[in-house]
Amino acid sequence: DIVMTQTPLSSPVTLGQPASISCRSSQSLVHSDGNTYLSWLQQRPGQPPRLLTYKISNRFSGVPDRFSGSGAGTDFTLKISRVEAEDVGVYYCMQATQFPFTFGQGTKLEIE
Amino acid sequence: EVRLLESGGALVQPGGSLRLSCATSGFTFSSYLMTWVRQAPGKGLEWVSTITGNAAGTFYADSVKGRLTISRDNSKNTVSLQMNNLRADDTAVYFCAKGRSFESWGQGTLVTVSS
Repeated sequence: DIVMTQTPLSSPVTLGQPASISCRSSQSLVHSDGNTYLSWLQQRPGQPPRLLTYKISNRFSGVPDRFSGSGAGTDFTLKISRVEAEDVGVYYCMQATQFPFTFGQGTKLEIE
Repeated sequence: EVRLLESGGALVQPGGSLRLSCATSGFTFSSYLMTWVRQAPGKGLEWVSTITGNAAGTFYADSVKGRLTISRDNSKNTVSLQMNNLRADDTAVYFCAKGRSFESWGQGTLVTVSS
């Protein structure tokens, strides 16, 4: 199974400041079709998860442009350029390159 | 607008059975993988099972293999999860999600396994 490891697990951030979350996979996420099925999800308190970015860096419809995904191979990053109050929640990376699909442990974003 | 709505969650005794359903609308259902993901109370997300668009392929987490069965009805735009021989550690909110990138999620349905 591919293990997804996120750092940090908790991130206190000041409003208006940037935030960054890293995700490392235990093996390459490049699929035989050439795509890298690495997504970032946001889960606000009491809400279902919501897709932010897919295939590393594609921002999903309706997602603010302050969210950006990057990386390649086994190392990936989600960046928030300027944190807003509504960004509080838990962020997960997930891979859908190989079954079983797997999630990172989650990173809790809190406002300082 | 894409919509996913799970139903069927309940309190069930260990060893019991339950059938979850996810009704969908707003997209060409048969063109998409559909997945069940669960979240135990206070815990992270756990992938449970995925079914391909034509139902030819089904995939399961080791923790549920042989007890849970995913299926879909492309004429009714629904995906289901038959849950047998339930255990306490199956207690979770169960979400259905659309597509390989999980681009849309339902609100979830709570399954509680307890005597």
